[in-house]
Amino acid sequence: AQSVAQPEDQVNVAEGNPLTVKCTYSVSGNPYLFWYVQYPNRGLQFLLKYITGDNLVKGSYGFEAEFNKSQTSFHLKKPSALVSDSALYFCAVIPSGYSTLTFGKGTMLLVSP
Amino acid sequence: DSGVTQTPKHLITATGQRVTLRCSPRSGDLSVYWYQQSLDQGLQFLIQYYNGEERAKGNILERFSAQQFPDLHSELNLSSLELGDSALYFCASSAAGKPYEQYFGPGTRLTVT
Repeated sequence: AQSVAQPEDQVNVAEGNPLTVKCTYSVSGNPYLFWYVQYPNRGLQFLLKYITGDNLVKGSYGFEAEFNKSQTSFHLKKPSALVSDSALYFCAVIPSGYSTLTFGKGTMLLVSP
Repeated sequence: DSGVTQTPKHLITATGQRVTLRCSPRSGDLSVYWYQQSLDQGLQFLIQYYNGEERAKGNILERFSAQQFPDLHSELNLSSLELGDSALYFCASSAAGKPYEQYFGPGTRLTVT
């Protein structure tokens, strides 16, 4: 069965510093990988996805993620964090041949001024 | 705005009751997915419909059921409600052949007292 691990419940970073939110996955075959963000009392917003091709994926709001097949990781990154980036971030996977998302437990990102 | 609408936004009901959550997908999207977000279980897939037919089933309880109507809107029915059913229920939709582009609605927050 497929699974997604987000090893950190919370990540703290100062505004202007780079941020990384970690994600590893376990699926058979080639996965589709995703990052979503959830702001308080809001729905899920799509940030970026990896389907195939270039391992570095660029998404919304200056975020990017790097697909690493050997390490089965898909870490979310941003060169310079903003206070407004503070939110709950979810990594998700759709295994090859499937159509439904399996989510990690989420990582709360707190960016301090 | 994702184009996916969900009603109601909030629902408060008592244990043992039955409720219906409604989802209207983006115009033209044939697939509808239901996800549940709870403190205990995180974000998990419940069920998927495609053009009126059940396509995939996840961790959906027998007390829960769903359907998709000819106009493609979907309803999630939750019966014999328990305190543990309190959660945020999301609907998502995608176009035919594009499960990797799921657009989420704002969710319905269900509180069972």
